[in-house]
Amino acid sequence: DTAVSQTPKYLVTQMGNDKSIKCEQNLGHDTMYWYKQDSKKFLKIMFSYNNKELIINETVPNRFSPKSPDKAHLNLHINSLELGDSAVYFCASSSLDGPDNQPQHFGDGTRLSIL
Amino acid sequence: DAKTTQPPSMDCAEGRAANLPCNHSTISGNEYVYWYRQIHSQGPQYIIHGLKNNETNEMASLIITEDRKSSTLILPHATLRDTAVYYCIVKAGANSKLTFGKGITLSVRP
Repeated sequence: DTAVSQTPKYLVTQMGNDKSIKCEQNLGHDTMYWYKQDSKKFLKIMFSYNNKELIINETVPNRFSPKSPDKAHLNLHINSLELGDSAVYFCASSSLDGPDNQPQHFGDGTRLSIL
Repeated sequence: DAKTTQPPSMDCAEGRAANLPCNHSTISGNEYVYWYRQIHSQGPQYIIHGLKNNETNEMASLIITEDRKSSTLILPHATLRDTAVYYCIVKAGANSKLTFGKGITLSVRP
């Protein structure tokens, strides 16, 4: 029973296409995140949602649009894919309730390759 | 930008303790020290965190200096499966970001 699950695990698509990555957590957390890890292995936060409200929005092209239908899901939709979008995208979740030092739990990533 | 500095790599022998250092000389009073690791092709995995006291769990121990400017993650009996990139991160309150640096690559040799 995976705590944070992402689908698909691999995504290969053509430049210019629109694609979505889904993320679900069964930990009862109220906050979810998207991170991007590029070819140089730097891991950077993109977005964070708390109770379906956007709380962190880094400098990300507006081609990227996160959508949170409920607290357990945070999907990432990407329009007009570009070569530079090739990366591994990680979803994570945590709880902001209680002590403010709760760790984040990560999924295993979605490997996006743009042809 | 990451607020921690770590050596780029280290290795240790299987079964021995692995001591991973981290400097965070500009840490603020409300910032915790977190350690995560990333095993090849997997998502980051939480290991341990602490504020000022030393901490221990089933995975590791965290030793924080009295001035809080540095810390050491200790894997007491390293195994080959502990080979990974280990990230030391300082983070304040609930709404603050986890900012990953380059981490330290630990290689456990047989």
